[in-house]
Amino acid sequence: GAVVSQHPSWVICKSGTSVKIECRSLDFQATTMFWYRQFPKQSLMLMATSNEGSKATYEQGVEKDKFLINHASLTLSTLTVTSAHPEDSSFYICSARQEVYGYTFGSGTRLTVV
Amino acid sequence: GESVGLHLPTLSVQEGDNSIINCAYSNSASDYFIWYKQESGKGPQFIIDIRSNMDKRQGQRVTVLLNKTVKHLSLQIAATQPGDSAVYFCAENQSQGGKLIFGQGTELSVKP
Repeated sequence: GAVVSQHPSWVICKSGTSVKIECRSLDFQATTMFWYRQFPKQSLMLMATSNEGSKATYEQGVEKDKFLINHASLTLSTLTVTSAHPEDSSFYICSARQEVYGYTFGSGTRLTVV
Repeated sequence: GESVGLHLPTLSVQEGDNSIINCAYSNSASDYFIWYKQESGKGPQFIIDIRSNMDKRQGQRVTVLLNKTVKHLSLQIAATQPGDSAVYFCAENQSQGGKLIFGQGTELSVKP
């Protein structure tokens, strides 16, 4: 079956620093990857959609300069939270879409900014 | 019973009972719907899906019903087990761009 690996599973960083989260499709090539953010006891909120080799499409209200998305290949997308602040602390989840497998989610990254 | 507040609605059931989790979706143009189960600290896990040309789909112990007239989805879990305790989300595929948008979610608690 389709597997998406997300790394790291958790990270603690100091306020003002940047953090990179990786999302890899291990056994398939993803046509599109999605990034979500989830606060405690809330639903998943779509942040952006990325396609390999093109700029990500951000949802309304998501700062593209703060949440940098790079989709360098059909199996790798990265999300960089720049100049992180405590309010950016959240659970970040990626998803990869492929015609046969549909949507496959990573296991999430718990970001804590101190 | 079911309650709605600032956070996730909760549904508490007894082990062995059937559970029904409801979801209202937003876009009448959505043509594909998925139910996910999410355990604490993990990513969503696929349960069952349904396309808009269907009203009902059954899986192992789970059934999804779709009512397009009122934009409503439900997930029925038969003989609920403690391992079913989790948060359940419906998600709709809004055709344009293939985005998957998640509903509010319901926290299911199964009492042994």
